[in-house]
Amino acid sequence: KNEVEQSPQNLTAQEGEFITINCSYSVGISALHWLQQHPGGGIVSLFMLSSGKKKHGRLIATINIQEKHSSLHITASHPRDSAVYICLAVGGATNKLIFGTGTLLAVQP
Amino acid sequence: DTGVSQDPRHKITKRGQNVTFRCDPISEHNRLYWYRQTLGQGPEFLTYFQNEAQLEKSRLLSDRFSAERPKGSFSTLEIQRTEQGDSAMYLCASSGGLYTEAFFGQGTRLTVV
Repeated sequence: KNEVEQSPQNLTAQEGEFITINCSYSVGISALHWLQQHPGGGIVSLFMLSSGKKKHGRLIATINIQEKHSSLHITASHPRDSAVYICLAVGGATNKLIFGTGTLLAVQP
Repeated sequence: DTGVSQDPRHKITKRGQNVTFRCDPISEHNRLYWYRQTLGQGPEFLTYFQNEAQLEKSRLLSDRFSAERPKGSFSTLEIQRTEQGDSAMYLCASSGGLYTEAFFGQGTRLTVV
């Protein structure tokens, strides 16, 4: 079982829909990142959270430390949001970066 | 600072040859990570440095893989006697600490023929 699990694994949405991607982790963490990777592209950091909520444009990320859960929300989704979204925890015995299982999002026009 | 840079961006090598990749992190970042990503899969942890100390190395790595960060700045990843299964994108990331963002390089794509 992965230490950082994401759901759903695959998500197809219509343009304009509100999207939620979930991340649950089983290890102690110091912080959690949400990353975006377009097909064939590099990895881009969207957020780094250690508590609460952050918002950037149409993206919102929340974390509940007690429940070991984080969510990434995309409002008014657009086809250019189509990418793999990755939850990345800073944790474990040496506080390394632990990748989640990833969510492949496809937003259809 | 131009972010995390990796060199080369692409490497094609014959099976059995040795290859070495370089990663230059963001200058003040003390943490440096190496990952490997194959097509359609998520990144797989290889190893991790804090300054010049190698804190963790994946058990998945065979003895053919070695990484160094001699002065706590740039890092090198060497693969000896490459095999076709080593073909992948090798990613480097750096961060300034537990509560700072991690930044990723563009990766080195290795093809073993």
